[in-house]
Amino acid sequence: DTGVSQDPRHKITKRGQNVTFRCDPISEHNRLYWYRQTLGQGPEFLTYFQNEAQLEKSRLLSDRFSAERPKGSFSTLEIQRTEQGDSAMYLCASSFPPNTEAFFGQGTRLTVV
Amino acid sequence: RKEVEQDPGPFNVPEGATVAFNCTYSNSASQSFFWYRQDCRKEPKLLMSVYSSGNEDGRFTAQLNRASQYISLLIRDSKLSDSATYLCVVNRDDKIIFGKGTRLHILP
Repeated sequence: DTGVSQDPRHKITKRGQNVTFRCDPISEHNRLYWYRQTLGQGPEFLTYFQNEAQLEKSRLLSDRFSAERPKGSFSTLEIQRTEQGDSAMYLCASSFPPNTEAFFGQGTRLTVV
Repeated sequence: RKEVEQDPGPFNVPEGATVAFNCTYSNSASQSFFWYRQDCRKEPKLLMSVYSSGNEDGRFTAQLNRASQYISLLIRDSKLSDSATYLCVVNRDDKIIFGKGTRLHILP
């Protein structure tokens, strides 16, 4: 399968713990996006990369959130000191070249208890 | 104001009917446009791109009106399997922005 893959698919964590999610984009895609989606809402933009450069970070992303794409391939999204409000589906997408559609992974569903 | 706005619905439509959704976007610098479909608890998947000249894919027709900054999707002869959330998507400077989605329920 050469699509976008995300790991883990599900994560349950206790409030206050740190979590890290991984996204592997389609190999030739140089743009990688992270979104958060809660029930009944569309995906909300969090951040995106062109190769290893993080181009924009949403105001939705507090200081507890950080994303990296160290070699321009896979990306990680870390949430520190998780809160119940962080419970959501975290979606990763990739695209290439400019102005084309994005392809999504199956998402990581985070539940903070 | 959200950059991409859609009527959240739900639209409850009998099987075989025609249904249309509209979406408006606020930034005239937006460059490309798409409709995505999302099934419950699944990831969004591209339904079709949207072009100014209008484009059709089987029972689906998409249209872009740049002057009025709106995008439409028409579904003809709706099927039960069309039940889903339809997301309007705008690409502006390679930032991909989603509307909240319009929920469609096709009734038998």
